[in-house]
Amino acid sequence: QQQVKQSPQSLIVQKGGISIINCAYENTAFDYFPWYQQFPGKGPALLIAIRPDVSEKKEGRFTISFNKSAKQFSLHIMDSQPGDSATYFCAAYETTDKLIFGTGTRLQVFP
Amino acid sequence: NAGVMQNPRHLVRRRGQEARLRCSPMKGHSHVYWYRQLPEEGLKFMVYLQKENIIDESGMPKERFSAEFPKEGPSILRIQQVVRGDSAAYFCASSPYTAGPGNTIYFGEGSWLTVV
Repeated sequence: QQQVKQSPQSLIVQKGGISIINCAYENTAFDYFPWYQQFPGKGPALLIAIRPDVSEKKEGRFTISFNKSAKQFSLHIMDSQPGDSATYFCAAYETTDKLIFGTGTRLQVFP
Repeated sequence: NAGVMQNPRHLVRRRGQEARLRCSPMKGHSHVYWYRQLPEEGLKFMVYLQKENIIDESGMPKERFSAEFPKEGPSILRIQQVVRGDSAAYFCASSPYTAGPGNTIYFGEGSWLTVV
């Protein structure tokens, strides 16, 4: 059973555009929602994270929007660059030691 | 400050052989986590260890898989009698405290296991 659903599976954006990746969850016990960026052949790296008591968090060109009532959250990448091309995973903490990952979104940014 | 070190980076095993994957956490980190990533899928939690203790192994397959984190040396993920379905990337992560809200875990670059 997929506890964190992520869409789209792949995304193609032109340089300078906005990339939007969406995630939804069912378990109301989740209490922390990080996003990870993974380049081919590398491990995931923490990009940005949010707690459910906050509706939005921004770090540079990356913004998380969180809708607690809808149990949805999304990542927005403003002014997307070719260097942003990677796979992005949303995740949620189920307990204090276990991350539940979405299935990933492969982002390609073309110049 | 070196990151999480995993070796080997790539491992090829024939069906029925054993695979042994090693992970050295970041300096000062005493919490280690193993995740598995199947092709075109997200990462799946396998096990959480502290020195000499398995804290949570709820994601480990019941047979053939084991993990340890001895007092000295790296954490080891052992897969006995490998099958083709074990082919995946295995990621180790570490943290200085129990992972959770606000406590970042740091991933290694992974060990890619191919079973032929």
